[in-house]
Amino acid sequence: AQTVTQSQPEMSVQEAETVTLSCTYDTSESNYYLFWYKQPPSRQMILVIRQEAYKQQNATENRFSVNFQKAAKSFSLKISDSQLGDTAMYFCAFILPLGGTSYGKLTFGQGTILTVHP
Amino acid sequence: ETGVTQSPTHLIKTRGQQVTLRCSSQSGHNTVSWYQQALGQGPQFIFQYYREEENGRGNFPPRFSGLQFPNYSSELNVNALELDDSALYLCASSFPTSGSQNEQFFGPGTRLTVL
Repeated sequence: AQTVTQSQPEMSVQEAETVTLSCTYDTSESNYYLFWYKQPPSRQMILVIRQEAYKQQNATENRFSVNFQKAAKSFSLKISDSQLGDTAMYFCAFILPLGGTSYGKLTFGQGTILTVHP
Repeated sequence: ETGVTQSPTHLIKTRGQQVTLRCSSQSGHNTVSWYQQALGQGPQFIFQYYREEENGRGNFPPRFSGLQFPNYSSELNVNALELDDSALYLCASSFPTSGSQNEQFFGPGTRLTVL
């Protein structure tokens, strides 16, 4: 079974600064996908960034980037130039590729509440 | 392109009652997954429906059941409600292909309160 752990219940950052959210996971599989989702107070779960395990290059989406360390099973999210609209709960999530016994369920961490202060 | 919609937005029930939550999948998607998110926690997978059949299930009792219709919309039914069933229920739709990541698009959720 796969597990995802986020060890930071809450984080805060000043507007325009950089913050890093941590995530570790456990799996015996070699091929999988990792995601960071954002859930603002509106509750809508929004995909921020994805990483494919077989790709060594870290994913980047505008101000969001990841540090993927496969051997350490670590997947952190860096938010640069933080904006007030980044205030939300952030979830790290894991999924196996479809096929075999995998039907594509997401396994989420417990979440990190990020507050961006003006 | 219409996104994932869920109804109702909020619901209050009493212990022992039954509830039905509804989800309309995004256009072109044939798979719906349901998740339960307790307050301050990450979502937990309940089950998934693919082409009108249950395709996988998490660690939830049989009183959690579902349906998927020919138009791929879905219902989540919960019988004999318990206080611990109070949560945000999220629906996510996708169009999975073998070997893919099964990217899921989430609806806004239904907040269920059991008194």
